[in-house]
Amino acid sequence: ETGVTQSPTHLIKTRGQQVTLRCSSQSGHNTVSWYQQALGQGPQFIFQYYREEENGRGNFPPRFSGLQFPNYSSELNVNALELDDSALYLCASGRADYNEQFFGPGTRLTVL
Amino acid sequence: GDSVTQMEGPVTLSEEAFLTINCTYTATGYPSLFWYVQYPGEGLQLLLKATKADDKGSNKGFEATYRKETTSFHLEKGSVQVSDSAVYFCALNSGAGSYQLTFGKGTKLSVIP
Repeated sequence: ETGVTQSPTHLIKTRGQQVTLRCSSQSGHNTVSWYQQALGQGPQFIFQYYREEENGRGNFPPRFSGLQFPNYSSELNVNALELDDSALYLCASGRADYNEQFFGPGTRLTVL
Repeated sequence: GDSVTQMEGPVTLSEEAFLTINCTYTATGYPSLFWYVQYPGEGLQLLLKATKADDKGSNKGFEATYRKETTSFHLEKGSVQVSDSAVYFCALNSGAGSYQLTFGKGTKLSVIP
């Protein structure tokens, strides 16, 4: 059984650019959630997807958007990058009928 | 809204010392409670969980008991090892169809030989 994988590992962008982060869910999982973890802080919930539909969102602006694909892989897109978007972005997958989520290793985004 | 408050770090202990990391929460309904661990440069790993009052979660010598009356879920280990050095996060999920986890700020533990 493969775990949750994320790509890329690290990414450097400049302010105003757009970025796409990718996540591959663990086999058998049908939900995916994305979190932002600023340095020295706990992860903050961005949004979650189930059956390719967004069904929950945290306090993040619309320039944070996502997709979940039929094979349960997922993308996080961030437009008009700001310096404060620099963080570790974590993807977590799980099963809708089981209250447990499994995290990927994260993508470290640096915005200059 | 939901919130988690956990002990500020960093915490430094000698090997074989007793560990307690305090965690209290505020939530509507009956949340599930979790402890996650993050090793340097890695993502989060689920350490243990409890889904209802008085449940005790345990794993790798760590334990935490869901105390509804005090809204707490303190993490304990009787004898820490150097390999336990990491950041520990307390988290909750309120359920009701949401998979959202609300995390505390994390407590960094350093264990010295």
